[in-house]
Amino acid sequence: NAGVTQTPKFQVLKTGQSMTLQCAQDMNHEYMSWYRQDPGMGLRLIHYSVGAGITDQGEVPNGYNVSRSTTEDFPLRLLSAAPSQTSVYFCATTRLEPYYEQYFGPGTRLTVT
Amino acid sequence: ILNVEQSPQSLHVQEGDSTNFTCSFPSSNFYALHWYRWETAKSPEALFVMTLNGDEKKKGRISATLNTKEGYSYLYIKGSQPEDSATYLCAFIKGTGFQKLVFGTGTRLLVSP
Repeated sequence: NAGVTQTPKFQVLKTGQSMTLQCAQDMNHEYMSWYRQDPGMGLRLIHYSVGAGITDQGEVPNGYNVSRSTTEDFPLRLLSAAPSQTSVYFCATTRLEPYYEQYFGPGTRLTVT
Repeated sequence: ILNVEQSPQSLHVQEGDSTNFTCSFPSSNFYALHWYRWETAKSPEALFVMTLNGDEKKKGRISATLNTKEGYSYLYIKGSQPEDSATYLCAFIKGTGFQKLVFGTGTRLLVSP
């Protein structure tokens, strides 16, 4: 089992460009989420999904879109990249029972110039 | 907004030293607390899931305790080794519901040989 996979691992964008970060899982977990990690800020939730067709905003959703057409995939879209979106992005799945344990992907390091 | 604090922010110890750090969280409506180990350039990995007041969990030289009445959890590392160098994250879950999971900012541990 691959667990949670993310592509790409590294990406450099120019301000205003758009791109999609890919996330896929083979754990059959209903819950998936996107976090960003910035120095001194810990992990902050961007968007999450409780199942195919259902998404919701987290703590820092502005500038990002998500969709969930299948259980396996949960892409994160940056519509018009800004330098403030320079960060490391982690996708995670959650095993609901019994206590919401999270399984993280390897991360995508994004730099916006 | 839930406030989850970890202290210290960073710690530098010598090989063989024992160390501990703290995760503080709101004491009301506790559901669970997770500890994660996060090595540089990797993704967070689950260490412990703490659910009951007075819980004590152990994995090798690492152990954790939980006090839900006063809102804190301690993580202990006995006889630190260089391979223990990582950031240790706690995540607090208040009540049920995925959106109630909040990460602390982490304690960065460096163990020198």
